Amino acid sequence: DGGITQSPKYLFRKEGQNVTLSCEQNLNHDAMYWYRQDPGQGLRLIYYSQIVNDFQKGDIAEGYSVSREKKESFPLTVTSAQKNPTAFYLCASSIVGGPREQYFGPGTRLTVT
Amino acid sequence: QKEVEQNSGPLSVPEGAIASLNCTYSDRGSQSFFWYRQYSGKSPELIMFIYSNGDKEDGRFTAQLNKASQYVSLLIRDSQPSDSATYLCAALNYGGSQGNLIFGKGTKLSVKP
Repeated sequence: DGGITQSPKYLFRKEGQNVTLSCEQNLNHDAMYWYRQDPGQGLRLIYYSQIVNDFQKGDIAEGYSVSREKKESFPLTVTSAQKNPTAFYLCASSIVGGPREQYFGPGTRLTVT
Repeated sequence: QKEVEQNSGPLSVPEGAIASLNCTYSDRGSQSFFWYRQYSGKSPELIMFIYSNGDKEDGRFTAQLNKASQYVSLLIRDSQPSDSATYLCAALNYGGSQGNLIFGKGTKLSVKP
């Protein structure tokens, strides 16, 4: 089965700790994306990557970091510098050409207290 | 600032009726448009996309695009209670930031049995 997996589904952390969210895809997509969704809000782009070893900041990259060492994987680290990290984090992937429709993983719900 | 606007709803329709969801976008350079369905607590699921003016049908769903009016709509025929969800509209400008989607905040649809 082709798809996108994110782990864990729920994550609880204390304030001041860094945390890494996993995203893996076996769709052979070149592009991968991280979004954040807050209640009643649209999706906001954190980081994206069009190719291995290259990534770009999205609209709200402050306090986050990513890496893209493999085509299949795009982990997101939420650092202690992120002021309001509690949110629903969504990973997506797409081809680079064509309509570029994005497919989403199941998401990770992060709670920081 | 590039925006996608949707009525937040809730939009309530009786079972079997046609649900009409609307979306406007500000970026005239947007070329492809996407409709996602998101159940509460879940990740967005792609329903369909459209990039040519006119209608595009897929089963009970019809997407309509009017680039002159910068307007996109989604019609759901024979609405079912299982269609109750939040519907996200997204726009893509290929010439923009590496093909990133701009999402609306979504319209909540409730289909009453």
